[in-house]
Amino acid sequence: GNSVTQMEGPVTLSEEAFLTINCTYTATGYPSLFWYVQYPGEGLQLLLKATKADDKGSNKGFEATYRKETTSFHLEKGSVQVSDSAVYFCALRGPGGSARQLTFGSGTQLTVLP
Amino acid sequence: DSGVTQTPKHLITATGQRVTLRCSPRSGDLSVYWYQQSLDQGLQFLIHYYNGEERAKGNILERFSAQQFPDLHSELNLSSLELGDSALYFCASSVGAAGGPLETQYFGPGTRLLVL
Repeated sequence: GNSVTQMEGPVTLSEEAFLTINCTYTATGYPSLFWYVQYPGEGLQLLLKATKADDKGSNKGFEATYRKETTSFHLEKGSVQVSDSAVYFCALRGPGGSARQLTFGSGTQLTVLP
Repeated sequence: DSGVTQTPKHLITATGQRVTLRCSPRSGDLSVYWYQQSLDQGLQFLIHYYNGEERAKGNILERFSAQQFPDLHSELNLSSLELGDSALYFCASSVGAAGGPLETQYFGPGTRLLVL
């Protein structure tokens, strides 16, 4: 079945530091890949997505590239802000058939200190 | 604001009881998905409805059931509650059922259930 393995947290960074959160996946075919963010006390928000190999998703300074050869979708940001403190979830959705639901990684708690 | 609403926001109940969680999808969305977020299991898919019909089941217990009504809102019923059912329950909605490359699931704020 489909699975997502995400970098263990928590991660603590100083403001303006570089962020990488690793995500690798196992799936048959060509899944769509997502990063969702959950701010304290809130629901999940879609941060970015990529639907085919070599696609780069980007939003709010965050980027992730769909790498089929390494089955990875690592999240990066060049300069984090205190407001980026949240839990980040990597997720995939199967390529077709009945697999329309999202499969999530375990989440990575990010804390950015001023 | 995703446009997906969930009620109630918080729910405290006792073991053995039954509760109903409600979700209203974004305007125009026909699919509703339910997910459970717990400390030990993480985020898990429970069930998917499209235009009133069940489309897929995930790790949903037999004590749990759901339905989607003609106005497209959905309810998740949890019965014979146990301590381990304490979790955050999210619903998400999307436009269709096929989940094409451009389709996104939009999540509601969740219902936090505490079983005492």
